[in-house]
Amino acid sequence: DTEVTQTPKHLVMGMTNKKSLKCEQHMGHRAMYWYKQKAKKPPELMFVYSYEKLSINESVPSRFSPECPNSSLLNLHLHALQPEDSALYLCASSQAPSGGQETQYFGPGTRLLVL
Amino acid sequence: GQQLNQSPQSMFIQEGEDVSMNCTSSSIFNTWLWYKQDPGEGPVLLIALYKAGELTSNGRLTAQFGITRKDSFLNISASIPSDVGIYFCAGLRRNQFYFGTGTSLTVIP
Repeated sequence: DTEVTQTPKHLVMGMTNKKSLKCEQHMGHRAMYWYKQKAKKPPELMFVYSYEKLSINESVPSRFSPECPNSSLLNLHLHALQPEDSALYLCASSQAPSGGQETQYFGPGTRLLVL
Repeated sequence: GQQLNQSPQSMFIQEGEDVSMNCTSSSIFNTWLWYKQDPGEGPVLLIALYKAGELTSNGRLTAQFGITRKDSFLNISASIPSDVGIYFCAGLRRNQFYFGTGTSLTVIP
C-alpha cells in the first residue's frame, strides 16, 4: 500500500475563515511534507516533519500552521488567507530521512480557493 | 530553492511515437524519481532510481540514473492518449527533494 490520503478534496474559504487540511499515511513513513502547487508549476516545498518534529519551514507565512499529531497524520491549519494562496496543496511522505534511498509518495491534493 | 533543469518544456507527439525527456543539475543527487501528474491531481510516482547508472523499466516507461549522478532521463515508448499529462523529475539531496520544471506531454490520436 503506497497510499497517502488527503481531505478535503476541495475547499473554498473566505479571507477571515479558519480551516484545516488533513493528511494520513500508513506506510510507516517518518517524514511528511506539505507542498503548494500552482497550475503547471512544480510543487513548492512548505514544511517537512521528520519523526514528528518540524525540520524544515521554507519561510512560509504564519497564516499557515502545520501540525503533526503522530507519525501517520499531518495537518495544515489555515487562517486569514489571501486570494494568492489559492492553489493545490499536496501532502507527501517518505521513509525516514537518511540521505540514501528514499521514495516520496504524494496524496491527491486539496484544491483551495480563497475568496 | 535548488533548480533541476527539465527539458523539453512541452511536447506534442502523434500516438505511437516514442518520447524522451531529461533532467540535469550542477549538483549530485542520491535518488531520482519520475512522476506523472494529471490536472487537479497529485503527482503519481512512475519510477524510482537509487544508483548511478541504474536503468529501470515500468511497462512502456524506462528511466536511467545518470552515471555522473547529476542527470536522469525518462523514455516512453509507443505513446498512447492516456500518457497526456505533466511529467516531473525529482532529485533527493541532503534529505530534501528538488523538482524539475516539468514536461507537458500532449498525445495526438
